[in-house]
Amino acid sequence: QQKVQQSPESLIVPEGGMASLNCTSSDRNVDYFWWYRQHSGKSPKMLMSIFSNGEKEEGRFTVHLNKASLHTSLHIRDSQPSDSALYLCAAVNTNTGKLTFGDGTVLTVKP
Amino acid sequence: EAAVTQSPRSKVAVTGGKVTLSCHQTNNHDYMYWYRQDTGHGLRLIHYSYVADSTEKGDIPDGYKASRPSQENFSLILELASLSQTAVYFCASKGARTDTQYFGPGTRLLVL
Repeated sequence: QQKVQQSPESLIVPEGGMASLNCTSSDRNVDYFWWYRQHSGKSPKMLMSIFSNGEKEEGRFTVHLNKASLHTSLHIRDSQPSDSALYLCAAVNTNTGKLTFGDGTVLTVKP
Repeated sequence: EAAVTQSPRSKVAVTGGKVTLSCHQTNNHDYMYWYRQDTGHGLRLIHYSYVADSTEKGDIPDGYKASRPSQENFSLILELASLSQTAVYFCASKGARTDTQYFGPGTRLLVL
């Protein structure tokens, strides 16, 4: 069973709209999460990480974390066509240094 | 940003043949990783290494070997390539004091 579940599998939002992506880990040894963005044909690029309960904002991107439920979410406001990509959530186990990735959410922003 | 390069960038291999994928980083990172990505899916860890001359099994090591002859270089070896190993392979590296992994551009492998 996939240890990191992402939802939805795909999402279409209009330009200027809000995109909300979810991620949950079933592994209690997870310490924090990374969000990566991968444009088609490219390698994953780190977007944001979140270590503590609560919210972290960087520009148009906001990440939430609930450590008790091992759930994180990424919210993109004022979405742009250039935000269209595969968004990958990675759960980090700092004991092993390993990242476990979910299958991602494909975001399409329609002009 | 950290520089990680991979070679070749794409390869066509025959079933049963040997394939070697190479990764090179110039950032003095201790940790290096090999992942595979199947179309429309996330990344799965194959092998990783904390230090030169030592490798560790990841989550899906079967059918793969790894070699870390130096801090800068990390290879992934498919001794007997199979159709199911068709995928994009990414190498990544990170420093000892951070959990940020930097990815290479990927190698697209097609096994026929």
